[in-house]
Amino acid sequence: EVQLVESGGGLVKPGGSLRLSCAASGFTFSSYSMNWVRQAPGKGLEWVSSISSSSSYIYYADSVKGRFTISRDNAKNSLYLQMNSLRAEDTAVYYCAKLVATSYYFDYWGQGTLVTVSS
Amino acid sequence: EIVMTQSPATLSVSPGERATLSCRASQSVSSNLAWYQQKPGQAPRLLIYGASTRATGIPARFSGSGSGTEFTLTISSLQSEDFAVYYCQQYNNWPPDTFGQGTKLEIK
Repeated sequence: EVQLVESGGGLVKPGGSLRLSCAASGFTFSSYSMNWVRQAPGKGLEWVSSISSSSSYIYYADSVKGRFTISRDNAKNSLYLQMNSLRAEDTAVYYCAKLVATSYYFDYWGQGTLVTVSS
Repeated sequence: EIVMTQSPATLSVSPGERATLSCRASQSVSSNLAWYQQKPGQAPRLLIYGASTRATGIPARFSGSGSGTEFTLTISSLQSEDFAVYYCQQYNNWPPDTFGQGTKLEIK
């Protein structure tokens, strides 16, 4: 059974930093591209970042480019999101999501971790 | 960036009736369109990909259609567990993946 479990969310002040983690199990983690997708309270889904299976290809939404860094450790079956210079508008539930092998939609999602940016 | 527009924002339907949700792309996305269901406090769940292919374990009452810029998700006979928010997502021009703003399906 595929499982994605996020952690690391919490309350942080504007300008602060936070590192999210996603622990994966139930599939060959090293074979799949992984993503972060966020959802602000009461709002829709927003793709944040993607990393290919071997970390060769990395992409970011314009809204987080230069502030967030995605990474992965295939030996630990883990995905990360380092978030710096956080803003109030970054407040959201952050989901870890697995891309299917041959396309760009998401077949599995974690339960999410809440990041709140507030003074 | 491709903009996805869903309509209506809220749809009120009685259990047992049919629901039809729409999704429009600002430019052609071919058949590279997925639908997700999200219930309160839960992660999204993949329903449909390739505009019309049901994901594993999705009941046959869910069907998708369309191509290019116009897409439809139909739920043929609503069950209580189907009341949720539904999102479309294009993946033709990637990145970024872009989602519609969602349609909330509520009980009438």
